[in-house]
Amino acid sequence: QKEVEQDPGPLSVPEGAIVSLNCTYSNSAFQYFMWYRQYSRKGPELLMYTYSSGNKEDGRFTAQVDKSSKYISLFIRDSQPSDSATYLCAMSAITDKLIFGTGTRLQVFP
Amino acid sequence: KAGVTQTPRYLIKTRGQQVTLSCSPISGHRSVSWYQQTPGQGLQFLFEYFSETQRNKGNFPGRFSGRQFSNSRSEMNVSTLELGDSALYLCASSPIDEAFFGQGTRLTVV
Repeated sequence: QKEVEQDPGPLSVPEGAIVSLNCTYSNSAFQYFMWYRQYSRKGPELLMYTYSSGNKEDGRFTAQVDKSSKYISLFIRDSQPSDSATYLCAMSAITDKLIFGTGTRLQVFP
Repeated sequence: KAGVTQTPRYLIKTRGQQVTLSCSPISGHRSVSWYQQTPGQGLQFLFEYFSETQRNKGNFPGRFSGRQFSNSRSEMNVSTLELGDSALYLCASSPIDEAFFGQGTRLTVV
């Protein structure tokens, strides 16, 4: 069993839809949780960073961490075609390496 | 503030050769990590350097090595290249926990 599980998609939604992306994990020592967006042939771009449990909002993006269920989510409101990319979750324990999910490919069509 | 810079962006090498990739982190960041990204395996952690010392290491063979200099710049080296080493190699720099990625070096082994 992988430490971090993420549905690879692809996920195809119409413009304006609310998108929900999720990851589950098995290591209860994880404390830092991140979401990255990666466009084709580019490096991952950090979108959201959360420490421990709770919600964090930044513009159209909301990150949620539920440590009791070992489950994290990223919500994208009013999705745009420019949001079409691969979204990667990542997490780590204190001073440990980042473990990535395999990424979910999102397509937002006009 | 300048981002993470990786050179070269693209590289073609022959089986059996060796290659050195370079990474300049964001100014002030002391941690540099290296990842290999392939379509089949996703993002896999290679190693992390902090203040010139290797702090974490992934499950890659000894052909993969790295180092960090006193100015935090880092290099990774792959010796005796194999076809399966063809991948996007990503460098990330960290102030503490969140990681900021460069655009990567796309290595093709023929």
